[in-house]
Amino acid sequence: QKEVEQDPGPLSVPEGAIVSLNCTYSNSAFQYFMWYRQYSRKGPELLMYTYSSGNKEDGRFTAQVDKSSKYISLFIRDSQPSDSATYLCAMIVTGGFKTIFGAGTRLFVKA
Amino acid sequence: SQTIHQWPATLVQPVGSPLSLECTVEGTSNPNLYWYRQAAGRGLQLLFYSVGIGQISSEVPQNLSASRPQDRQFILSSKKLLLSDSGFYLCAWSLTGTGVTEQYFGPGTRLTVT
Repeated sequence: QKEVEQDPGPLSVPEGAIVSLNCTYSNSAFQYFMWYRQYSRKGPELLMYTYSSGNKEDGRFTAQVDKSSKYISLFIRDSQPSDSATYLCAMIVTGGFKTIFGAGTRLFVKA
Repeated sequence: SQTIHQWPATLVQPVGSPLSLECTVEGTSNPNLYWYRQAAGRGLQLLFYSVGIGQISSEVPQNLSASRPQDRQFILSSKKLLLSDSGFYLCAWSLTGTGVTEQYFGPGTRLTVT
């Protein structure tokens, strides 16, 4: 079993839709949970991070962590064509060096 | 501000040839440095990480090696490339210490081994 599972998609939605991206994990020691966005042929860039359980909102983006279910989500409201990218979840134990990444979900937002 | 550079951007090499990819970071001192490989649909595979000059940890046994000759320079090498070495290679850095270890990625090198 992989430490982090993420559906690779692709996921195609119309402009303005609410997008839900998800990851599950097996290591209960993970404390920091991150979402990276990667445009085609570019390096990933950090979009959001959360510590432990709960929600965090930043504009159109909401990150949600449910540690009891070992499940994290990223919601994108009012999706735009510019949101088309691969979204990678990532997580790390406190004080650790090694970040574990999901496989990434490819998202297409159609105008 | 900090910037990370990688070169070359693309590379086509024959099987059995050597490899050298370079990564440099500007605007920070004593960063943690990382090399990843990204294959289609497989996410990011951590290859090496370094917490200081000359300190290299390998995550995956393979024909690749890494070196850190200077504080902000990280080099990925191979003596003889295999077809399976093809992929998108990403260098990243993060701050040292505890807390959220956000990683900042370079633009990547797309390697095709023919």
